[in-house]
Amino acid sequence: EPEVTQTPSHQVTQMGQEVILRCVPISNHLYFYWYRQILGQKVEFLVSFYNNEISEKSEIFDDQFSVERPDGSNFTLKIRSTKLEDSAMYFCASSGGATNEKLFFGSGTQLSVL
Amino acid sequence: RKEVEQDPGPFNVPEGATVAFNCTYSNSASQSFFWYRQDCRKEPKLLMSVYSSGNEDGRFTAQLNRASQYISLLIRDSKLSDSATYLCVVTPGANAGKSTFGDGTTLTVKP
Repeated sequence: EPEVTQTPSHQVTQMGQEVILRCVPISNHLYFYWYRQILGQKVEFLVSFYNNEISEKSEIFDDQFSVERPDGSNFTLKIRSTKLEDSAMYFCASSGGATNEKLFFGSGTQLSVL
Repeated sequence: RKEVEQDPGPFNVPEGATVAFNCTYSNSASQSFFWYRQDCRKEPKLLMSVYSSGNEDGRFTAQLNRASQYISLLIRDSKLSDSATYLCVVTPGANAGKSTFGDGTTLTVKP
């Protein structure tokens, strides 16, 4: 069964550093997303991406965040100048094909900002 | 009012019990509804879509009441492996877009 893959599974960084989280969505999907989940809290939408541009973003997705699809397979989330409160599990998801409304999630990257 | 509100839980039930989870949503324009399951510190996984006509998948039954903006999930003959957090998810349109997740309801099934 096709799946969304994310790397790394864990990322530890110092406050103020930049991190790039990587995702390979399901190959025939056209819509890509980033969600985050702070420990003990709900899953929160960050951004959706379609046709090489951001289609929607939440108020969480401020200027420190950016997304990119640098080639035909990868989808990245960059966080510039990380803050302590950026510590969370970041999930990449994709949708498309016959079931465009259903999200398929990767296993997540646990980001710890020290 | 939260956009998606779920039973706070937790639910602790014995094996074989029937358990029901409820969810309400505030945006009447919402079009797609789902139940996802999330195991501890894992990614959410789609359990089932929810339709106005109701749908059943084995021991799981989901119902949508658009007039009341209410979604339910019924689990019959619960198994130990059903222990997880169940997430109610609402999307604004035909595309997944900005899906809104509820806080989740945690179920523990005990022997």
